[in-house]
Amino acid sequence: EDKVVQSPLSLVVHEGDTVTLNCSYEVTNFRSLLWYKQEKKAPTFLFMLTSSGIEKKSGRLSSILDKKELFSILNITATQTGDSAVYLCAVEYNNNDMRFGAGTRLTVKP
Amino acid sequence: DVKVTQSSRYLVKRTGEKVFLECVQDMDHENMFWYRQDPGLGLRLIYFSYDVKMKEKGDIPEGYSVSREKKERFSLILESASTNQTSMYLCASRLPGYGHEQYFGPGTRLTVT
Repeated sequence: EDKVVQSPLSLVVHEGDTVTLNCSYEVTNFRSLLWYKQEKKAPTFLFMLTSSGIEKKSGRLSSILDKKELFSILNITATQTGDSAVYLCAVEYNNNDMRFGAGTRLTVKP
Repeated sequence: DVKVTQSSRYLVKRTGEKVFLECVQDMDHENMFWYRQDPGLGLRLIYFSYDVKMKEKGDIPEGYSVSREKKERFSLILESASTNQTSMYLCASRLPGYGHEQYFGPGTRLTVT
């Protein structure tokens, strides 16, 4: 069965900490892996990863994909309270299928 | 600026009522999706549509139907609402094929009493 598993499910840190969120997957015909950030509204797109070992970076956020071990990580350095959100991982596979993980709820305390 | 809008942010309905959730996108996307989001379960796909008048069942279609009469509009219908359909409903759209991110609406929080 196709599945996407995120860990941890929730995380509480203090401002300035660095966090690593994990997303592992088992799907047929992998196409891409996407990360979204969801605050109290619509998820917003962060990154799309298709190739192993190539880091995508945007400010304090970065992500990398390992297609051999079937996982991706999302790193956030020097966390701020505005980083508090649910982070969603989604995997595209087959021709047009997409599956989401349960999400990681990150809380950053001042 | 791309936009996906949903007809209501909050909705309260009674058990047995017929419920319509509307989603409109202005990006001329062929693909549109309806998800429900529940704590600990993430986003689960209810139905999706590749084009006008086309629909495909997702992972949890039971108790739901959809309608796509125009490219920009995708409606989710709860024929007879039940309390276990209390949830956050998210609509999304994207270009066809893979390698494109989905654009999400703000969500509708539906409570069925």
